[in-house]
Amino acid sequence: GQNIDQPTEMTATEGAIVQINCTYQTSGFNGLFWYQQHAGEAPTFLSYNVLDGLEEKGRFSSFLSRSKGYSYLLLKELQMKDSASYLCAVRDWEDSNYQLIWGAGTKLIIKP
Amino acid sequence: NAGVTQTPKFRILKIGQSMTLQCTQDMNHNYMYWYRQDPGMGLKLIYYSVGAGITDKGEVPNGYNVSRSTTEDFPLRLELAAPSQTSVYFCASSQGMRTSSHEQYFGPGTRLTVT
Repeated sequence: GQNIDQPTEMTATEGAIVQINCTYQTSGFNGLFWYQQHAGEAPTFLSYNVLDGLEEKGRFSSFLSRSKGYSYLLLKELQMKDSASYLCAVRDWEDSNYQLIWGAGTKLIIKP
Repeated sequence: NAGVTQTPKFRILKIGQSMTLQCTQDMNHNYMYWYRQDPGMGLKLIYYSVGAGITDKGEVPNGYNVSRSTTEDFPLRLELAAPSQTSVYFCASSQGMRTSSHEQYFGPGTRLTVT
């Protein structure tokens, strides 16, 4: 079956570094996405990984290990505006179709 | 370039009423999606479309219907609203599905309460 697991909530301090983990089980993995969602707003795209390794984009980096079914999102130099939910989503090939499977999201709370 | 727009932003329905949630995108994307998001839960796909005239069911299609007569518009119809349909509804679009350009662009959402 298909399954995505993320921690429900994490707390970190302004200026620090935080790592949000995502583990997944899918039959036809074809890419992993991270989205950011501020409370009451729509999700917005952060990063995409399809090959193993680290993708860096400014303060945000995303890592993928396909053999372990594991990804993480690394946020550096945390700012108060980074308080949001972070959604992990996996593109899966099943039943002759691609579909995006979403995790429940990790709520990140930044404290001064 | 407005991106993806949705109307209304908020709506309260009585049990058994019907309504249509509107969604329009101006990015000429072929793929469009309707999701619902319940508190503390991930996004659940209701219906999607790969182009005008083509729609398909997602994970939770019961109680909903869609149509796609143009590339730009993808309305979601709720017939006989039930309390279980209380949720936030997001419309999204993307350029493709198979390639790395599968980034989805979301509308601002419609908050629906059924009482």
